[in-house]
Amino acid sequence: AQKITQTQPGMFVQEKEAVTLDCTYDTSDPSYGLFWYKQPSSGEMIFLIYQGSYDQQNATEGRYSLNFQKARKSANLVISASQLGDSAMYFCAMRGGGGNKLTFGTGTQLKVEL
Amino acid sequence: EAQVTQNPRYLITVTGKKLTVTCSQNMNHEYMSWYRQDPGLGLRQIYYSMNVEVTDKGDVPEGYKVSRKEKRNFPLILESPSPNQTSLYFCASSLYLGEQETQYFGPGTRLLVL
Repeated sequence: AQKITQTQPGMFVQEKEAVTLDCTYDTSDPSYGLFWYKQPSSGEMIFLIYQGSYDQQNATEGRYSLNFQKARKSANLVISASQLGDSAMYFCAMRGGGGNKLTFGTGTQLKVEL
Repeated sequence: EAQVTQNPRYLITVTGKKLTVTCSQNMNHEYMSWYRQDPGLGLRQIYYSMNVEVTDKGDVPEGYKVSRKEKRNFPLILESPSPNQTSLYFCASSLYLGEQETQYFGPGTRLLVL
């Protein structure tokens, strides 16, 4: 069975600072994908970044980067130069072998302050 | 514009009154799925479909039905809603079933069952 753990229910960061949101996972599948989604207060799920289990390099998308440490089974999201609009719930998710579903963590509520 | 649409976006109903939440995608995706989101639990899969006339249960299928008669549509049916089905529901789709394929989410349907 797959499992995603996000241990930070809530975090605060000052505008323009970098912030790391933690995510650890557990799976027996040799091939899997790791995703981060952003959910603003309006409720929609916005795809941010993807990391494949066989990818050698950490994924980056603009201000988002994924710190992938396969041996430690962690896939932390790093947001650089935080903006007020980054305030939202962030979900880490994994899609395993067979890929019939995304398994989600419980989320981290991020608040960016002036 | 490529998108997943859901209707209605908001619904208040009473226990036992059958309802259907529609989901449609215009990306010719084969794979579609329904999730529910509850506070502190993240998103959990209800049902998924790998193609027309092919559906299967997710983690929390009790009290729900689905059908996939056309590739673009995947309605969620609550035959006899109960208060514990009060939740935020998301439909999602992806091009195919695979661990490296991200899912695109609809805007969500907020359901309150009285």
